Amino acid sequence: GENVEQHPSTLSVQEGDSAVIKCTYSDSASNYFPWYKQELGKGPQLIIDIRSNVGEKKDQRIAVTLNKTAKHFSLHITETQPEDSAVYFCAACRVSTLTFGKGTMLLVSP
Amino acid sequence: DAGVIQSPRHEVTEMGQEVTLRCKPISGHNSLFWYRQTMMRGLELLIYFNNNVPIDDSGMPEDRFSAKMPNASFSTLKIQPSEPRDSAVYFCASSNLDRGEDTQYFGPGTRLTVL
Repeated sequence: GENVEQHPSTLSVQEGDSAVIKCTYSDSASNYFPWYKQELGKGPQLIIDIRSNVGEKKDQRIAVTLNKTAKHFSLHITETQPEDSAVYFCAACRVSTLTFGKGTMLLVSP
Repeated sequence: DAGVIQSPRHEVTEMGQEVTLRCKPISGHNSLFWYRQTMMRGLELLIYFNNNVPIDDSGMPEDRFSAKMPNASFSTLKIQPSEPRDSAVYFCASSNLDRGEDTQYFGPGTRLTVL
């Protein structure tokens, strides 16, 4: 089955800095890659996603890149703010089934 | 839209008791997913339904777990008998696969504690 590795497990940045989270996947048949943000006590919330026919997608301060050849994709958050602090999960989707990475705890200090 | 609704939000029970978790997907969505989240194993897919039919239950840990979807707006996940190792947060998610939309929307989860 699919295996998704996510790094780093924790990331501490100062407000205004950029944050980058990286994921790799194993199954070349995966074709959809969403990113979720999970705040304490809440369910994961979709923040951005990318499909395998696209290399990059941006939405305001958030961007995602995908390298199908290398089977890796990354989340980039610019101008981080304290409210960006949360756990972020990447996922790879194959045949409607999501496989999640283990998550990255992002801490943004004021 | 109210989003995915789960109940109860918290459940504390004793080992051996039956536990039933409930989920109402987003109206119009035809696919429903049950996940379990623990510190050790992260987010794991337990089972998913498409048009009320179970499609993949390979993630269901053992026979103590069962899930049903009697209609398009309601699903249950049952654990009988429950064990302390079942303690976790259980999430339900829904999507509209028939429209080719893979995006899954998650509910707030049920935190289960088995003593």
